[in-house]
Parts: sequence; structure tokens; C-alpha cells
Amino acid sequence: DADVTQTPRNRITKTGKRIMLECSQTKGHDRMYWYRQDPGLGLQLIYYSFDVKDINKGEISDGYSVSRQAQAKFSLSLESAIPNQTALYFCATSDSLAGGYNEQFFGPGTRLTVL
Amino acid sequence: ELKVEQNPLFLSMQEGKNYTIYCNYSTTSDRLYWYRQDPGKSLESLFVLLSNGAVKQEGRLMASLDTKARLSTLHITTAVHDLSATYFCAVEGAGNDYKLSFGAGTTVTVRA
Repeated sequence: DADVTQTPRNRITKTGKRIMLECSQTKGHDRMYWYRQDPGLGLQLIYYSFDVKDINKGEISDGYSVSRQAQAKFSLSLESAIPNQTALYFCATSDSLAGGYNEQFFGPGTRLTVL
Repeated sequence: ELKVEQNPLFLSMQEGKNYTIYCNYSTTSDRLYWYRQDPGKSLESLFVLLSNGAVKQEGRLMASLDTKARLSTLHITTAVHDLSATYFCAVEGAGNDYKLSFGAGTTVTVRA
């Protein structure tokens, strides 16, 4: 079984709809991240969380919100989806006990299309 | 703001030849990561480089880090088809902020 899972894997929705993307991990890591990937732009950080009570904005948080329901679960919400949020979304995890560095491990991704 | 620049962005390789991908970054850091992404797939960790002069090798891939020049290279030796993928470098910000800044990626196609 995959260590980092994302649901749904694909989603098509309409402008103005509320969407939630979910991420679960069995790696036992404390840090979790949400990124979006657009062609030619690499990955951009949306939000990150270093433990259940810690939520931080990344470089492109406008239009998004998150919830860390448990150490293993981190959800990303689009309150009112717009077409330019069409992208591939990745969840990632890392371990604060990994020796002082931050190697991140990625889920399979969610392809979101907003019409 | 930490900026990470990869070049080239696209690389067409001939099987059997050697090539290099470059990753430059704008501010001090001694932690750099290389990832591989196959089309439509997730990112897979390739190398973790944690100090100046670090060199890691796995099969036909070798990565190195020069923190003084703020440069990492990913060297591909004797290219083969199954190395076709997009390669990303990611740099961890200084001061233990634990965030990664990614380059735009280098899309590699290996042709016979």
C-alpha cells in the first residue's frame, strides 16, 4: 500500500463550487505539505503544517484553506473554485526526526479541472 | 526569496552519450534535493545533498553540490531510454525553515 495517498485522483468541477482534496499518510511523519504543479512552473507551496496545531501559508495560499485533522491527515479546500486553479495537486510529508534535513515524500497527485 | 533556476528546461539526449543538468539557486543553502517525475506520476526522491562538495551516485546518475557557487549538477552517464523523465531540483531555505523551493524542472527525452 502507498505510504501517502490522495483522494480523489481526478476531479472535474464547475466555477464557484467548493472542493476538498484529502491526503492521508502511514509514514508516521509529522510534517505535511500541499503543492500545486502547473506546466513549466515546477511545484509551488500552498500550505504546510509541522504538527496538528501548526498551519502555515505558503507562497500561493490565496483561494485555498487547509485542515490538519490528525497527524496523518491533511486536507486542502478550494472554497469557491475558479478556472485558474486547474492544476495537479500534490501532498507531501517529511519527518522532523530525519537528522535535520527535510526530504519530502509525495503522494500520487490529484488532477483538478475547474470549468 | 529563494529562487531556483534549472537549465536546460528541455534536453534531448542520444542513447550512449553523457549530459549534465544544472541547478542554480539565489541564497545560501547547503541542503539540496533531486527528484524524478515520470509523465502523469508523482515525484520520486533521487538524491539528498547536505554539504558543500557532497556527491551522490546511483546507477547512471550522479549529483553534486557546490554551496559556494550555489550550484548543483545532475550528470547522466551513457544515457538510456528509461532515464526519460522530468528532473527537479529543490533547495531548502537557510535558517531551518524546512520549506523547499523547486526549480521548473528539466524534461529529458532519450532517443535511440
